[in-house]
Amino acid sequence: NAGVTQTPKFQVLKTGQSMTLQCAQDMNHNSMYWYRQDPGMGLRLIYYSASEGTTDKGEVPNGYNVSRLNKREFSLRLESAAPSQTSVYFCASSGTSGRDYNEQFFGPGTRLTVL
Amino acid sequence: KNEVEQSPQNLTAQEGEFITINCSYSVGISALHWLQQHPGGGIVSLFMLSSGKKKHGRLIATINIQEKHSSLHITASHPRDSAVYICAVRLIIQGAQKLVFGQGTRLTINP
Repeated sequence: NAGVTQTPKFQVLKTGQSMTLQCAQDMNHNSMYWYRQDPGMGLRLIYYSASEGTTDKGEVPNGYNVSRLNKREFSLRLESAAPSQTSVYFCASSGTSGRDYNEQFFGPGTRLTVL
Repeated sequence: KNEVEQSPQNLTAQEGEFITINCSYSVGISALHWLQQHPGGGIVSLFMLSSGKKKHGRLIATINIQEKHSSLHITASHPRDSAVYICAVRLIIQGAQKLVFGQGTRLTINP
Protein backbone atom coordinates (compact mmCIF):
# COMPACT_ATOMS: atom_id res chain seq x y z
CA ASN A 1 0.00 0.00 0.00
CA ALA A 2 1.60 3.27 -1.13
CA GLY A 3 -1.15 5.32 0.55
CA VAL A 4 -1.38 8.80 -0.98
CA THR A 5 1.24 9.71 -3.56
CA GLN A 6 1.91 13.12 -5.08
CA THR A 7 4.04 14.28 -7.98
CA PRO A 8 6.16 16.28 -8.33
CA LYS A 9 7.83 16.80 -4.94
CA PHE A 10 9.32 20.14 -5.95
CA GLN A 11 8.55 22.58 -8.77
CA VAL A 12 9.69 26.04 -9.75
CA LEU A 13 7.52 28.00 -12.18
CA LYS A 14 7.67 31.42 -13.74
CA THR A 15 4.69 33.73 -13.41
CA GLY A 16 2.10 32.83 -16.04
CA GLN A 17 3.21 29.24 -16.55
CA SER A 18 0.79 26.39 -16.03
CA MET A 19 1.20 23.05 -14.35
CA THR A 20 -0.74 20.13 -12.94
CA LEU A 21 -0.11 18.51 -9.57
CA GLN A 22 -0.94 14.84 -9.54
CA CYS A 23 -2.36 12.86 -6.63
CA ALA A 24 -3.31 9.21 -6.36
CA GLN A 25 -4.48 6.96 -3.53
CA ASP A 26 -4.69 3.20 -3.39
CA MET A 27 -6.94 2.86 -0.32
CA ASN A 28 -10.25 2.86 -2.23
CA HIS A 29 -11.26 6.10 -0.54
CA ASN A 30 -14.24 8.03 -1.82
CA SER A 31 -13.17 11.52 -0.70
CA MET A 32 -10.08 13.41 -1.80
CA TYR A 33 -8.81 16.90 -0.95
CA TRP A 34 -6.26 19.50 -2.00
CA TYR A 35 -4.81 21.81 0.66
CA ARG A 36 -2.20 24.51 0.67
CA GLN A 37 0.05 25.30 3.63
CA ASP A 38 1.61 28.73 4.03
CA PRO A 39 3.92 29.96 6.82
CA GLY A 40 2.00 31.19 9.85
CA MET A 41 -1.29 29.83 8.54
CA GLY A 42 -3.04 26.55 8.98
CA LEU A 43 -3.72 24.21 6.11
CA ARG A 44 -6.44 25.64 3.89
CA LEU A 45 -8.77 23.67 1.66
CA ILE A 46 -8.54 24.52 -2.03
CA TYR A 47 -10.91 21.96 -3.56
CA TYR A 48 -12.35 18.64 -2.56
CA SER A 49 -14.10 15.71 -4.16
CA ALA A 50 -16.59 13.92 -1.94
CA SER A 51 -16.88 11.07 -4.42
CA GLU A 52 -15.88 10.09 -7.93
CA GLY A 53 -17.48 12.46 -10.42
CA THR A 54 -18.00 15.36 -8.01
CA THR A 55 -15.79 18.32 -7.10
CA ASP A 56 -16.47 21.38 -4.95
CA LYS A 57 -14.69 24.56 -4.01
CA GLY A 58 -13.04 24.91 -0.65
CA GLU A 59 -11.84 27.99 1.17
CA VAL A 60 -9.28 29.27 -1.38
CA PRO A 61 -10.21 28.00 -4.88
CA ASN A 62 -9.30 31.06 -6.97
CA GLY A 63 -6.59 30.38 -9.55
CA TYR A 64 -7.01 26.60 -9.40
CA ASN A 65 -8.97 23.90 -11.17
CA VAL A 66 -9.32 20.23 -10.30
CA SER A 67 -10.19 16.98 -12.00
CA ARG A 68 -11.33 13.78 -10.31
CA LEU A 69 -10.11 11.52 -13.09
CA ASN A 70 -11.33 8.32 -11.41
CA LYS A 71 -11.69 7.04 -7.88
CA ARG A 72 -7.91 6.88 -7.42
CA GLU A 73 -6.73 10.15 -8.93
CA PHE A 74 -7.40 13.82 -8.16
CA SER A 75 -5.33 16.46 -9.94
CA LEU A 76 -4.88 20.17 -9.24
CA ARG A 77 -4.14 22.55 -12.09
CA LEU A 78 -2.71 26.04 -12.00
CA GLU A 79 -3.59 27.65 -15.34
CA SER A 80 -1.51 30.81 -14.93
CA ALA A 81 0.74 30.65 -11.90
CA ALA A 82 1.18 33.70 -9.68
CA PRO A 83 3.76 34.36 -6.93
CA SER A 84 0.89 34.22 -4.39
CA GLN A 85 0.53 30.54 -5.24
CA THR A 86 3.99 29.79 -3.85
CA SER A 87 3.16 27.26 -1.15
CA VAL A 88 3.33 23.65 -0.10
CA TYR A 89 0.45 21.65 -1.51
CA PHE A 90 -0.93 18.55 0.17
CA CYS A 91 -3.33 16.03 -1.21
CA ALA A 92 -5.36 13.92 1.21
CA SER A 93 -7.99 11.23 1.10
CA SER A 94 -10.51 9.84 3.54
CA GLY A 95 -12.77 6.87 3.67
CA THR A 96 -16.51 6.97 4.15
CA SER A 97 -16.87 3.59 5.80
CA GLY A 98 -15.00 1.05 7.85
CA ARG A 99 -11.68 1.55 9.59
CA ASP A 100 -10.74 4.64 7.53
CA TYR A 101 -14.09 6.37 8.13
CA ASN A 102 -13.38 10.11 8.17
CA GLU A 103 -9.65 9.63 8.91
CA GLN A 104 -7.49 11.85 6.72
CA PHE A 105 -4.44 10.38 5.00
CA PHE A 106 -2.00 12.88 3.57
CA GLY A 107 0.44 12.75 0.69
CA PRO A 108 4.06 13.88 1.14
CA GLY A 109 3.42 17.36 -0.28
CA THR A 110 4.60 19.37 -3.28
CA ARG A 111 6.74 22.44 -2.67
CA LEU A 112 5.90 24.97 -5.38
CA THR A 113 7.75 28.21 -5.97
CA VAL A 114 6.44 30.76 -8.47
CA LEU A 115 8.98 33.39 -9.49
CA LYS B 1 -10.73 35.47 14.59
CA ASN B 2 -9.68 31.95 13.57
CA GLU B 3 -12.23 29.24 14.13
CA VAL B 4 -9.47 27.06 15.60
CA GLU B 5 -6.88 28.47 17.99
CA GLN B 6 -3.91 26.53 19.30
CA SER B 7 -1.62 27.37 22.17
CA PRO B 8 1.20 27.69 22.59
CA GLN B 9 2.49 28.44 19.08
CA ASN B 10 5.97 27.30 20.06
CA LEU B 11 7.06 25.07 22.91
CA THR B 12 10.55 23.99 23.92
CA ALA B 13 11.04 21.44 26.68
CA GLN B 14 13.60 19.03 28.07
CA GLU B 15 13.49 15.32 27.42
CA GLY B 16 11.20 13.59 29.90
CA GLU B 17 8.89 16.52 30.53
CA PHE B 18 5.09 16.24 30.35
CA ILE B 19 3.78 18.24 27.40
CA THR B 20 0.36 19.81 26.92
CA ILE B 21 -0.87 21.48 23.73
CA ASN B 22 -4.26 23.14 23.71
CA CYS B 23 -6.86 23.66 21.03
CA SER B 24 -9.98 25.82 21.28
CA TYR B 25 -12.64 26.19 18.65
CA SER B 26 -15.62 28.43 18.22
CA VAL B 27 -18.08 26.41 16.13
CA GLY B 28 -20.09 23.23 16.49
CA ILE B 29 -18.10 20.26 15.26
CA SER B 30 -18.67 16.64 14.42
CA ALA B 31 -15.15 15.57 15.43
CA LEU B 32 -11.66 16.87 16.17
CA HIS B 33 -8.38 15.60 14.75
CA TRP B 34 -4.84 15.86 16.07
CA LEU B 35 -2.15 15.60 13.40
CA GLN B 36 1.63 15.49 13.54
CA GLN B 37 3.82 17.11 10.90
CA HIS B 38 7.39 15.87 10.88
CA PRO B 39 10.35 18.15 10.16
CA GLY B 40 10.49 16.59 6.68
CA GLY B 41 6.95 17.83 6.03
CA GLY B 42 4.89 14.63 6.14
CA ILE B 43 1.56 14.78 7.99
CA VAL B 44 0.11 11.86 9.91
CA SER B 45 -3.12 11.56 11.83
CA LEU B 46 -2.65 10.89 15.54
CA PHE B 47 -6.20 10.97 16.85
CA MET B 48 -9.75 11.55 15.77
CA LEU B 49 -12.18 12.05 18.63
CA SER B 50 -15.66 13.35 19.22
CA SER B 51 -15.89 12.86 22.99
CA GLY B 52 -13.88 11.86 26.04
CA LYS B 53 -10.31 10.71 25.82
CA LYS B 54 -8.06 8.53 23.65
CA LYS B 55 -4.61 7.13 24.39
CA HIS B 56 -1.97 5.80 22.05
CA GLY B 57 1.35 4.95 23.63
CA ARG B 58 2.68 8.11 25.30
CA LEU B 59 0.10 10.33 23.62
CA ILE B 60 -3.24 11.22 25.16
CA ALA B 61 -5.95 13.38 23.60
CA THR B 62 -8.96 14.74 25.41
CA ILE B 63 -11.93 16.77 24.30
CA ASN B 64 -14.58 18.75 26.17
CA ILE B 65 -17.43 19.39 23.76
CA GLN B 66 -19.28 21.78 26.08
CA GLU B 67 -16.21 23.97 26.57
CA LYS B 68 -15.13 23.59 22.90
CA HIS B 69 -11.64 22.62 23.96
CA SER B 70 -9.22 19.79 23.36
CA SER B 71 -5.77 18.97 24.71
CA LEU B 72 -2.96 16.78 23.45
CA HIS B 73 -0.61 15.45 26.11
CA ILE B 74 2.74 13.75 25.65
CA THR B 75 4.17 11.86 28.61
CA ALA B 76 7.91 11.20 29.02
CA SER B 77 8.71 13.40 26.01
CA HIS B 78 11.58 12.44 23.74
CA PRO B 79 13.55 14.36 21.07
CA ARG B 80 11.81 12.27 18.39
CA ASP B 81 8.54 13.93 19.46
CA SER B 82 9.86 17.19 18.01
CA ALA B 83 7.37 18.15 15.31
CA VAL B 84 4.50 20.49 14.55
CA TYR B 85 1.22 19.35 16.12
CA ILE B 86 -1.92 20.46 14.33
CA CYS B 87 -5.47 20.53 15.63
CA ALA B 88 -8.28 20.34 13.07
CA VAL B 89 -12.04 20.38 13.56
CA ARG B 90 -14.44 18.59 11.28
CA LEU B 91 -17.45 20.62 10.20
CA ILE B 92 -20.44 19.75 8.12
CA ILE B 93 -20.97 22.51 5.58
CA GLN B 94 -23.74 22.21 2.98
CA GLY B 95 -23.88 18.48 3.58
CA ALA B 96 -20.14 17.93 3.09
CA GLN B 97 -17.57 17.21 5.77
CA LYS B 98 -14.59 19.56 5.81
CA LEU B 99 -11.62 20.11 8.09
CA VAL B 100 -10.61 23.52 9.45
CA PHE B 101 -7.07 23.60 10.79
CA GLY B 102 -5.30 25.45 13.55
CA GLN B 103 -1.97 27.12 12.87
CA GLY B 104 -0.02 24.38 14.59
CA THR B 105 2.24 24.17 17.64
CA ARG B 106 5.94 23.72 17.01
CA LEU B 107 7.34 21.41 19.71
CA THR B 108 11.06 21.02 20.30
CA ILE B 109 12.30 18.48 22.83
CA ASN B 110 15.94 18.92 23.82
CA PRO B 111 17.98 15.94 25.03
